[in-house]
Amino acid sequence: KAGVTQTPRYLIKTRGQQVTLSCSPISGHRSVSWYQQTPGQGLQFLFEYFSETQRNKGNFPGRFSGRQFSNSRSEMNVSTLELGDSALYLCASSRTGEPTNEKLFFGSGTQLSVL
Amino acid sequence: GENVEQHPSTLSVQEGDSAVIKCTYSDSASNYFPWYKQELGKGPQLIIDIRSNVGEKKDQRIAVTLNKTAKHFSLHITETQPEDSAVYFCAAHKGGSQGNLIFGKGTKLSVKP
Repeated sequence: KAGVTQTPRYLIKTRGQQVTLSCSPISGHRSVSWYQQTPGQGLQFLFEYFSETQRNKGNFPGRFSGRQFSNSRSEMNVSTLELGDSALYLCASSRTGEPTNEKLFFGSGTQLSVL
Repeated sequence: GENVEQHPSTLSVQEGDSAVIKCTYSDSASNYFPWYKQELGKGPQLIIDIRSNVGEKKDQRIAVTLNKTAKHFSLHITETQPEDSAVYFCAAHKGGSQGNLIFGKGTKLSVKP
């Protein structure tokens, strides 16, 4: 069974640009969530999608957005990039999106560098 | 909201020694406490978890303890091996949405051969 796949693996952008990251969950998983990982802040929850609907959102500015397609694949978009957006962006999938009831599976992430 | 503090931020041990990582949480409603291991270049992977109705759980060389009164929980790794070298994250969840899963800032464990 294939794991969670994130593309691209690395990205370099300049300030002001926008970027789109992609996540393909494990087959059968309908929940996809996104996290930002930085050395200083650890893992911070961005948002969660379930059956094409955003179900939960973390405390990030509106420049961060996402969507989910009917095949459960998800994309995350960051507009007007800032230097502070440099981070590892992780995607996690599960069947129902309830951590207490099932395991979360993480992808290897997309390392975004903003110059 | 929930706040999870994790200590130490870095830990270096000799192969064969034990390693202990400690976390505290603030929200007494939290009832699920997973631990994740993140190896270099990979995403976090769940290694063990504990629920609030249990005080201790073991899985081979790994154990987790929970003290609900003091609101802290710990990860214990015995007989450490070089392949245990990784970043370990604790987390706390009070149920409901995934946004309620709050992570600690991580501990970088180095096991020296």
